[in-house]
Amino acid sequence: GAGVSQSPSNKVTEKGKDVELRCDPISGHTALYWYRQSLGQGLEFLIYFQGNSAPDKSGLPSDRFSAERTGGSVSTLTIQRTQQEDSAVYLCASSRRLAGVNEQFFGPGTRLTVL
Amino acid sequence: AQSVAQPEDQVNVAEGNPLTVKCTYSVSGNPYLFWYVQYPNRGLQFLLKYITGDNLVKGSYGFEAEFNKSQTSFHLKKPSALVSDSALYFCAVRDGNNFNKFYFGSGTKLNVKP
Repeated sequence: GAGVSQSPSNKVTEKGKDVELRCDPISGHTALYWYRQSLGQGLEFLIYFQGNSAPDKSGLPSDRFSAERTGGSVSTLTIQRTQQEDSAVYLCASSRRLAGVNEQFFGPGTRLTVL
Repeated sequence: AQSVAQPEDQVNVAEGNPLTVKCTYSVSGNPYLFWYVQYPNRGLQFLLKYITGDNLVKGSYGFEAEFNKSQTSFHLKKPSALVSDSALYFCAVRDGNNFNKFYFGSGTKLNVKP
């Protein structure tokens, strides 16, 4: 079946511009995560959605970062006024309801480069 | 503070030899531990997990991991490495207070040479 998809696969933008990254989770998965993977570092948790509950935003690094999930499915991560330090691979993952127990299925990521 | 450490940036092993990729963790409460693999130009894939029960967990592609509570470790192992095992491996632990949150290690690059 279809896995987690993300778009675009690559995004190059200029400092100060806003960007939107999209994630389509696996159908039926109620839990959705966003992570950031910087060169030589592990995955950094950004935000978590579970069903219709309020998202866990505790990992967002600044108020320039926001995310929403419409209809319990597709999610968009928005970075406003991008900075060079935002350059990274942004990964989306989904899992079944009990996300803390079940494994996550990852998308291929969006590589963001801020010039 | 809750965290995961992968002390080796890179592990080199010859094909056919056993391999070990190390992971140690620090978490409050009972640890829920995971291993993921990232092949070149592909997304992370789940390998195995420890939730409870037997300390030796078996997973995909012949990998296994041993949970050691006293040493707070969860090392990934395979008895006989394949060249196709060459990839980036990540250890992860669930936050003991916030069950929605996971901490990932910095990754270990496994190189298996023919």
